[in-house]
Amino acid sequence: DAGVIQSPRHEVTEMGQEVTLRCKPISGHDYLFWYRQTMMRGLELLIYFNNNVPIDDSGMPEDRFSAKMPNASFSTLKIQPSEPRDSAVYFCASSHQGFVYEQYFGPGTRLTVT
Amino acid sequence: GESVGLHLPTLSVQEGDNSIINCAYSNSASDYFIWYKQESGKGPQFIIDIRSNMDKRQGQRVTVLLNKTVKHLSLQIAATQPGDSAVYFCAGNTPLVFGKGTRLSVIA
Repeated sequence: DAGVIQSPRHEVTEMGQEVTLRCKPISGHDYLFWYRQTMMRGLELLIYFNNNVPIDDSGMPEDRFSAKMPNASFSTLKIQPSEPRDSAVYFCASSHQGFVYEQYFGPGTRLTVT
Repeated sequence: GESVGLHLPTLSVQEGDNSIINCAYSNSASDYFIWYKQESGKGPQFIIDIRSNMDKRQGQRVTVLLNKTVKHLSLQIAATQPGDSAVYFCAGNTPLVFGKGTRLSVIA
């Protein structure tokens, strides 16, 4: 298996623009997690899905952030409009039932908002 | 809410020595505690977990100890190698909070 795939790997955008991050989880995994990592706040859980259904989005910073999982093999995290304080590395991770916390992380998307 | 923190942000260890990374938590709701390792430029990687009804669990060269009385968790790495250099995160599962981590530097 190729592991968790994220795209793009790097994104540079201007403040106010819409940003869409993409994730393909490991085939057969039924949990998908989105995280954000910064030096100041460390690794934060934003939202997670089980069987494509959002279970807990309490970590989503504000209404500018939204996440979807239209099917078992694809998820998006959208920021609209983006702000400089959104600059971070965004990770997607997946796991399967029975081993929820043994998560497999993707390589991350480094987002820079200028 | 859950607060999982680390006693030391950085730890330097001589190659071949044992490493101990400590972690404190404040919320007893978690029934699992998890350790992850993150190498530079990569995503975190699962190391080991421990259920809250256990006090010790061993893996390959790693041992996790859980002391529920003082709400303390530790990860012990035996015979530390240069490849162990990374940031280590602990987390409880309720809620799932990772924090900033501890950086382990192995001195050759």
